[in-house]
Amino acid sequence: QSALTQPRSVSGSPGQSVTISCTGTSSDVGGYTSVSWYQHHPGKAPKLMIYDVTKRPSGVPDRFSGSKSDNTASLTISGLQAEDETDYYCCSYAGSYTWVFGGGTKLTVL
Amino acid sequence: QVQLQESGPGLVKPSETLSLTCTVSGDSISSHYWSWIRQPPGKGLEWLGYVYFSGSTNYNPSLKSRVTISVDTSKKQFSLKLKSVTPADTAVYYCARALGALYCSSTSCSKWFDPWGQGTLVTVSS
Repeated sequence: QSALTQPRSVSGSPGQSVTISCTGTSSDVGGYTSVSWYQHHPGKAPKLMIYDVTKRPSGVPDRFSGSKSDNTASLTISGLQAEDETDYYCCSYAGSYTWVFGGGTKLTVL
Repeated sequence: QVQLQESGPGLVKPSETLSLTCTVSGDSISSHYWSWIRQPPGKGLEWLGYVYFSGSTNYNPSLKSRVTISVDTSKKQFSLKLKSVTPADTAVYYCARALGALYCSSTSCSKWFDPWGQGTLVTVSS
């Protein structure tokens, strides 16, 4: 079970859109529709942003959206705001009742 | 509002057992799955395992021989024990509720982690 691959960092200007990728294999991301995304401000509890690839919990702005193609899931943040600057992690079901996370991506709002 | 709070020693000696407890408030522990997740300094998140209120468990294969997760429904708590720790086990440890489908199939397992506790730093050092 290997960690999912995320870019270490991405950046964008306020108002722009950015996409964070999350690449796995056919044994995790590609094999199931169970990908979730978490926003993590250091020192705080991670916050669920997307579940089941595309679903948004209540209270999460519709600027956040998720998608998946083959073995790669993506989190897109549109209309970037300063408060979006932090770390983001993807997570996928990996079979046999186990889960695997990505290495995390640091989003910088320029 | 569901809240989870981790508690336990912040310092553990190498070769000893790390023990943490997560206390649940605002929700019945007798439903859902309850998980432990950790983050070593400067690294990503790692799922450690889960426990169901019935006591059934499953663990990360890479840690399976060292991890035990248990639940005490009367205290609304679930616990993590990680034996034979080394400095590589130094991390912030989080507890989280796993929501979604009760069962997984061979092609689908709808589950996600929400909410999470604030996390507790455990350092393994002599």
